[in-house]
Amino acid sequence: EAGVAQSPRYKIIEKRQSVAFWCNPISGHATLYWYQQILGQGPKLLIQFQNNGVVDDSQLPKDRFSAERLKGVDSTLKIQPAKLEDSAVYLCASSSIIANTIYFGEGSWLTVV
Amino acid sequence: GQQVMQIPQYQHVQEGEDFTTYCNSSTTLSNIQWYKQRPGGHPVFLIQLVKSGEVKKQKRLTFQFGEAKKNSSLHITATQTTDVGTYFCAGRSGSARQLTFGSGTQLTVLP
Repeated sequence: EAGVAQSPRYKIIEKRQSVAFWCNPISGHATLYWYQQILGQGPKLLIQFQNNGVVDDSQLPKDRFSAERLKGVDSTLKIQPAKLEDSAVYLCASSSIIANTIYFGEGSWLTVV
Repeated sequence: GQQVMQIPQYQHVQEGEDFTTYCNSSTTLSNIQWYKQRPGGHPVFLIQLVKSGEVKKQKRLTFQFGEAKKNSSLHITATQTTDVGTYFCAGRSGSARQLTFGSGTQLTVLP
């Protein structure tokens, strides 16, 4: 079974620039998550989708972050404009509706300089 | 909002020694999960506990869920170098759909 795919793996941008991350969840998983993990901390949920609807985006900085999952499969997370404190690993994850187990992708490492 | 705290933040042990990490929630949890993240890797699911007082074992790993369902622990017996990584607990309270992760315990095993 293929895992959660993410791209790009690494990105370096200057502050005030924009960046987009892509995620393809495990086939058949209705729930998709975007987590932000700052070095030395646990993952923090940014947004959770079920199919193409948003379940929870309470911790998403909506003035600069946006995410979509238009067809209920792939998802993109965008940051515009980026700030230095956005430097982190952006983890996409997915789970089925039945099971609680969350499967994480390898992550997209963002450095804002 | 819900907070999940873990201690210790770091732990260095000699290979063969035991290791324990503790997780405490500010609210009663409906379930708790444990994940392991190797250096440079992504979190990988280990186990889920649901019942009050539940104890589960996976080889040298023992997971416990407190009677009040507000705390949990992970104990590793006779650590090996392959146990190196950061161990996270993650809890879900009540009807909340969000899984809140603790800050993790980074384990170093010295050969």
